[in-house]
Amino acid sequence: AQSVSQHNHHVILSEAASLELGCNYSYGGTVNLFWYVQYPGQHLQLLLKYFSGDPLVKGIKGFEAEFIKSKFSFNLRKPSVQWSDTAEYFCAVIRNTGNQFYFGTGTSLTVIP
Amino acid sequence: NAGVMQNPRHLVRRRGQEARLRCSPMKGHSHVYWYRQLPEEGLKFMVYLQKENIIDESGMPKERFSAEFPKEGPSILRIQQVVRGDSAAYFCASSTQGALGQPQHFGDGTRLSIL
Repeated sequence: AQSVSQHNHHVILSEAASLELGCNYSYGGTVNLFWYVQYPGQHLQLLLKYFSGDPLVKGIKGFEAEFIKSKFSFNLRKPSVQWSDTAEYFCAVIRNTGNQFYFGTGTSLTVIP
Repeated sequence: NAGVMQNPRHLVRRRGQEARLRCSPMKGHSHVYWYRQLPEEGLKFMVYLQKENIIDESGMPKERFSAEFPKEGPSILRIQQVVRGDSAAYFCASSTQGALGQPQHFGDGTRLSIL
């Protein structure tokens, strides 16, 4: 069955620290990949997406993610986090033949000023 | 351009009652998805609808749950005879086309609490 794993459940960083959140998926075929962010009390917002082409994808607010097909991974990175990045981050995968998104369980990021 | 609108934001029901959750997709979006988020878990797909059609309901519980997206009006997720385990956040998302490669725009969710 399709699954998406986010290994870091809770991450606490100080401002200006670098961030990397892991995401691995289990489907072997062609997939499209997404990272969503959910700020406290708000709805999910799209950070970035990968469909094809350059595996290094740049998103909003200085986030980027790298698709490594051989590792079935799509890790999210940011060189220097800010207090305003405190939120829940969800990785999502959809197969190119499917209708539904598969979401990871999310990573809660807390940035300490 | 208004986003995906869900109401109510919070809904409290007693066991055995019915819960009706509404979702109005973004303007121009004809594809609607419902997800459920249980505490400490990620979003789980429930159902995918287009106007007047259920395309994929593979994530819907077999009993008590139903969804519709009529020609006019919002999409409705209906839970009959609610039980404590139905307590969760229910999110609706919409997109312009089918799910393939299309980012979905999410509503703020309805938080359902069962007493």
